[in-house]
Amino acid sequence: QLQLQESGPGLVKPSETLSLTCTVSGGSIRGSTDYWAWIRQPPGKGLEWIATIYYTGNTFYNPALQGRVTISVDTSKSLFSLNLSSVTAADTALYYCVRHKVFYYFDYWGQGALVTVSS
Amino acid sequence: EIVMTQSPATLSVSPGERATVSCRASQSVGSKLAWYQHKPGQAPRLLIYGASTRATGIPARFSGSGSETDFTLTISSLQSEDFVIYYCQQYNEWWTFGQGTRVEIK
Repeated sequence: QLQLQESGPGLVKPSETLSLTCTVSGGSIRGSTDYWAWIRQPPGKGLEWIATIYYTGNTFYNPALQGRVTISVDTSKSLFSLNLSSVTAADTALYYCVRHKVFYYFDYWGQGALVTVSS
Repeated sequence: EIVMTQSPATLSVSPGERATVSCRASQSVGSKLAWYQHKPGQAPRLLIYGASTRATGIPARFSGSGSETDFTLTISSLQSEDFVIYYCQQYNEWWTFGQGTRVEIK
């Protein structure tokens, strides 16, 4: 059974960079039809796609966040990562790492990592 | 950006009854529509993709229909564990979600 697990600081100061890592286990990160993504949910709000990456390194970013977001992958460690720079309180959210199946829907999700932006 | 609008925001239904959640896209998405179930404190779970195909392990009481701009998620006979939040998501142009529909016990 494929499992994804987020890790990273739960508290980030305003203007700093939020960094999260997702470790993939129980399956290969190099699946030909598998992409990998980050999705977030601010408190009391809906879900927002942030970015997607293929194991070859091809990346796709939400235009609303482009310029602040970087997604990367390390196939040797079976993990992918998210960096979000210049954070504000609006970036406070539950961040999920997910498998982006066939570049369409999201079929495996991590449990989520709560990140709070506060001084 | 394709905007997904779900209705109602909250649906009150009695256990054993049918629940119907609607999702409308601001422009056609064909059949590139998925539904998710989200229990508080847990990861969202994929229910339906391709507008009407149940994901692996999803009970038959969950069904999806629709195309282009109008979609429906139907839960034929609500069980206690079904009283949670449901989201639609389009994948025709980038990926956007509806704002969610909470199904509560009447």
